[in-house]
Amino acid sequence: AQKITQTQPGMFVQEKEAVTLDCTYDTSDQSYGLFWYKQPSSGEMIFLIYQGSYDEQNATEGRYSLNFQKARKSANLVISASQLGDSAMYFCAMRPYNQGGKLIFGQGTELSVKP
Amino acid sequence: EAGVAQSPRYKIIEKRQSVAFWCNPISGHATLYWYQQILGQGPKLLIQFQNNGVVDDSQLPKDRFSAERLKGVDSTLKIQPAKLEDSAVYLCASSPETGPRAFFGQGTRLTVV
Repeated sequence: AQKITQTQPGMFVQEKEAVTLDCTYDTSDQSYGLFWYKQPSSGEMIFLIYQGSYDEQNATEGRYSLNFQKARKSANLVISASQLGDSAMYFCAMRPYNQGGKLIFGQGTELSVKP
Repeated sequence: EAGVAQSPRYKIIEKRQSVAFWCNPISGHATLYWYQQILGQGPKLLIQFQNNGVVDDSQLPKDRFSAERLKGVDSTLKIQPAKLEDSAVYLCASSPETGPRAFFGQGTRLTVV
């Protein structure tokens, strides 16, 4: 069964510090994509970063990096230099490429950045 | 580039009433998704269209939910009759033929009372 697990319902981080949000996934597929989305209180899902299962390098997008450990089936998001505007829900998602392209989401982690 | 448009943003209805949501994907995007996000949970796929054909509707409660995508562009999701447990945010997303990313609209927050 395809599944995403986010074990941290809530996280706190001090402004300007780095934070890691955990994500593990379960799939028997060889070809898939891993995503992180940010959802502020306004509700829209904002794309942050993508990692393909065959990508050897960890993905980075500005202050966001994805720590991809394929053998462990983990895809943790690292946010460096946290800002107050980073306070939001964060969702990890997987897209198995042999299943039509749908995204399978985890339960989310609520990040609160303290001044 | 215009994003995914959804309307209405908010809707409050009584149980057993019907409701419809509208989505206009990004121009040229062949794939359109409807997700249901219950409070405190991640989004769950309800239905996926490729152009105007259904790719996956395995988690759509077909006794009360229906969706269509006429002419492979706009889509409408309908609930009839609504139940209390349908209270959720309904997210529409679209993706192009190439590239892995899905683009989301702002969602419609439905409250059933």
